[in-house]
Amino acid sequence: QLQLQESGSGLVKPSQTLSLTCAVSGGSISSGGYSWSWIRQPPGKGLEWIGYIYHSGSTYYNPSLKSRVTISVDRSKNQFSLKLSSVTAADTAVYYCARDPDYWGQGTLVTVSS
Amino acid sequence: QPVLTQSSSASASLGSSVKLTCTLSSGHSSYIIAWHQQQPGKAPRYLMKLEGSGSYNKGSGVPDRFSGSSSGADRYLTISNLQSEDEADYYCETWDSNTRVVFGGGTKLTVL
Repeated sequence: QLQLQESGSGLVKPSQTLSLTCAVSGGSISSGGYSWSWIRQPPGKGLEWIGYIYHSGSTYYNPSLKSRVTISVDRSKNQFSLKLSSVTAADTAVYYCARDPDYWGQGTLVTVSS
Repeated sequence: QPVLTQSSSASASLGSSVKLTCTLSSGHSSYIIAWHQQQPGKAPRYLMKLEGSGSYNKGSGVPDRFSGSSSGADRYLTISNLQSEDEADYYCETWDSNTRVVFGGGTKLTVL
């Protein structure tokens, strides 16, 4: 059974960079045909797709976040990562990693506050 | 890019059936979608992938009470024999031609 687990800082200061990692177990991140996504959910709101990295290494981002987002993969550790720069309070959310669309991590709350 | 429209809320009685709708925007009526369930305080859970033909593939462990169907631009999730644990938010998801992901706004289902 594939499992995904997010980790990273739960508190980030405004204007700094949010960094999260998603560790994948029970399967290889290099398996063909899958995309590995980051999705977030502000408190009390719906799901917002941030972007994903394809098994080939190609990346695709939400146009509204594209200038601030970088998703990368570390195949040796079977994990992928998210960096979101210049954060504001509007970036406060639960951040999920997922193998689109069928496996989700448990999510991690990131609060942007000084 | 496709837009997915969902009713903000729905309700049905314990033991009854409910049909939730996700509507694709004009020009995108053939798109495949996925349904996800998010119980209170939990991460979303994948339920199924649903094609415009009405054919669907459910995720591992998804009860038989959950089924999908399609009509034109509408994609449906039907839950039969409603249980208390079915009270949750339900989201649909699709993918555009530029490989971007789109989510619907979600439907909050209340089991009475």
